[in-house]
Amino acid sequence: AQSVTQLGSHVSVSEGALVLLRCNYSSSVPPYLFWYVQYPNQGLQLLLKYTTGATLVKGINGFEAEFKKSETSFHLTKPSAHMSDAAEYFCAVTIRGSTLGRLYFGRGTQLTVWP
Amino acid sequence: EADIYQTPRYLVIGTGKKITLECSQTMGHDKMYWYQQDPGMELHLIHYSYGVNSTEKGDLSSESTVSRIRTEHFPLTLESARPSHTSQYLCASSEYEAGELFFGEGSRLTVL
Repeated sequence: AQSVTQLGSHVSVSEGALVLLRCNYSSSVPPYLFWYVQYPNQGLQLLLKYTTGATLVKGINGFEAEFKKSETSFHLTKPSAHMSDAAEYFCAVTIRGSTLGRLYFGRGTQLTVWP
Repeated sequence: EADIYQTPRYLVIGTGKKITLECSQTMGHDKMYWYQQDPGMELHLIHYSYGVNSTEKGDLSSESTVSRIRTEHFPLTLESARPSHTSQYLCASSEYEAGELFFGEGSRLTVL
């Protein structure tokens, strides 16, 4: 079975500080991993995804994430936070080779950015 | 920008009413999904569809039903709404196996 654990339901940083949002996954087979962002009163938008190949994945808005198989982690980082990064972030996993393509989501991490 | 639309965005209704949440996509995707989202909880898959005339229940038991008569349309219906149905409902679609999901903006339902 697949599952995702996001450590920390709320993260607060100052503008310009490093953003680190943690995600650990459980999967019996090689996973595909995703980070989505949700702004208030909107749906989810894909930030980045890991499928195969390079384990450091770059996404939109300056975010990146590194797939670490040995740690079963896929943490999301951004070197310098901006006020516009304030949102809720969801990590998700799916099974490589799945014909359905369904995702299993974590509970989300609310990012607050202080001026 | 994804072309997937949900209506209504917000709905407040009384107990016992029948409601339909609409979801349409213009991308020609075969796979479509309904997720239920509550604060501080995982998004739970409640229905999915591989294509026309294909619908399946997801992980979270739901009293809602869905239909897929056309590729672009995947409505969700509650025959008799109850306060326990109060939630946000997110519709999504995808094209490829284990590919990116494109989400609508959600329908926030409140049942009084």
